[in-house]
Amino acid sequence: AQSVTQLGSHVSVSEGALVLLRCNYSSSVPPYLFWYVQYPNQGLQLLLKYTSAATLVKGINGFEAEFKKSETSFHLTKPSAHMSDAAEYFCAVNGGYQKVTFGTGTKLQVIP
Amino acid sequence: EAGVAQSPRYKIIEKRQSVAFWCNPISGHATLYWYQQILGQGPKLLIQFQNNGVVDDSQLPKDRFSAERLKGVDSTLKIQPAKLEDSAVYLCASSSGNRGRIGTDTQYFGPGTRLTVL
Repeated sequence: AQSVTQLGSHVSVSEGALVLLRCNYSSSVPPYLFWYVQYPNQGLQLLLKYTSAATLVKGINGFEAEFKKSETSFHLTKPSAHMSDAAEYFCAVNGGYQKVTFGTGTKLQVIP
Repeated sequence: EAGVAQSPRYKIIEKRQSVAFWCNPISGHATLYWYQQILGQGPKLLIQFQNNGVVDDSQLPKDRFSAERLKGVDSTLKIQPAKLEDSAVYLCASSSGNRGRIGTDTQYFGPGTRLTVL
C-alpha cells in the first residue's frame, strides 16, 4: 500500500520565519515523492520531486525537502516565509503503484 | 505552451441530474488523470488514461461515473445521476508519460471544475 500523512491541516508562520510542513509516507518499494502547491481557485503546481537521486531536493520559490528513509519522512521547508507563500500544500507518493496518492493537505497562513 | 484546459469552471445542478466535464491536456501528453477534490481533502484519483487506454479506475464509482478519452487526446467525465456527495472540484491533469515507472512523472493540472449538487 502507499499513503502519505500530513501533520497539521493548518500552519501559521510570521513573515520571514522558517516554514516547516511535515509529511510522512508509507511505501512498499523505494518511493517517488512530490510536493504540490495549490493557490485559491487554481489547480495544483509541482514544487519539487524526489526520484531516488539526491536526498535533499530543491524546488521552486525557495522551497526544499529532505528525504529521510529511516524516518519515512519528506518534510518541506523554506528559510524565510513570504506573504505570497500562503496557499495549500500537498504531499504525494508513488510507492510502486501506477498512480500517485495525495495527502490531505496543509494550509499555510503567513502573518505580516 | 498552453496548459491543461477544463470547462466549465463552475456548474450547479440538482441531484439526479446529469453533468459532463471536458478536459484538453497539454499537447503531446500521453497520460491524463481525473481527480475529485472534496473540500478540505486532497485530490483523489478517479481514473487515469495512458493514451486512450485505462490504467487505473479502481476508485471511479462506475454505477454513476463514466469517462472516455477518444483518440487519446481530450477527455470527458460524466456523472449520471448526480448525488449530493458529488459536490467537489474535479481536476484534470496530464503528464508526458515517460518510459520510467508509471505514475512518477510530473503532472500538470488544469484549474478545475467546481460542481455544486443541490
